[in-house]
Amino acid sequence: NAGVTQTPKFQVLKTGQSMTLQCAQDMNHEYMSWYRQDPGMGLRLIHYSVGAGITDQGEVPNGYNVSRSTTEDFPLRLLSAAPSQTSVYFCASSRKTSSTGELFFGEGSRLTVL
Amino acid sequence: AQSVTQLDSHVSVSEGTPVLLRCNYSSSYSPSLFWYVQHPNKGLQLLLKYTSAATLVKGINGFEAEFKKSETSFHLTKPSAHMSDAAEYFCVVRANNNDMRFGAGTRLTVKP
Repeated sequence: NAGVTQTPKFQVLKTGQSMTLQCAQDMNHEYMSWYRQDPGMGLRLIHYSVGAGITDQGEVPNGYNVSRSTTEDFPLRLLSAAPSQTSVYFCASSRKTSSTGELFFGEGSRLTVL
Repeated sequence: AQSVTQLDSHVSVSEGTPVLLRCNYSSSYSPSLFWYVQHPNKGLQLLLKYTSAATLVKGINGFEAEFKKSETSFHLTKPSAHMSDAAEYFCVVRANNNDMRFGAGTRLTVKP
């Protein structure tokens, strides 16, 4: 089983460039989310979605856009990259129906903004 | 609002000795609590979770955690550390379907 797949694994951008981080899951999970991981800060929620066509902001949404046109895919868009967005990004998914559901994570995308 | 505090940013133990990683939580609701492990350059993997059933929870690879409501703690333990346990560990609280809060992480080093 593929689980949660993120691409690319590594990316270097210049300030002001745009890009999209891709995330796909094959577990038919309703809930999908994007986190960023920075040293000493754990993981912080950027955006999440509880189903196709529904998205909402997390803890640190500024500078990022998301959409959810299908159950499987949840891309994260950086519209105008800034050095403060240098981070490791994780996509995660889970069943929506229970607050006890665990998150399944991708392997991460390391982004550097120069 | 809910939050977690991992009391140690780095723990170092010798192989074969006990492991204790400490986590305190704050939640307005009855929380679900999780421990995740992250090996270098990998995603996060669930170790164990507490969901208001038994207060002592057993997870994978010999880890366990005890939920103590009176102390608002959910410490992670293992009787005997193995070299393969070296990783970063995250305590997580989930108080509703869409809001999971992560601690800052504890890096576990295991010395031979």
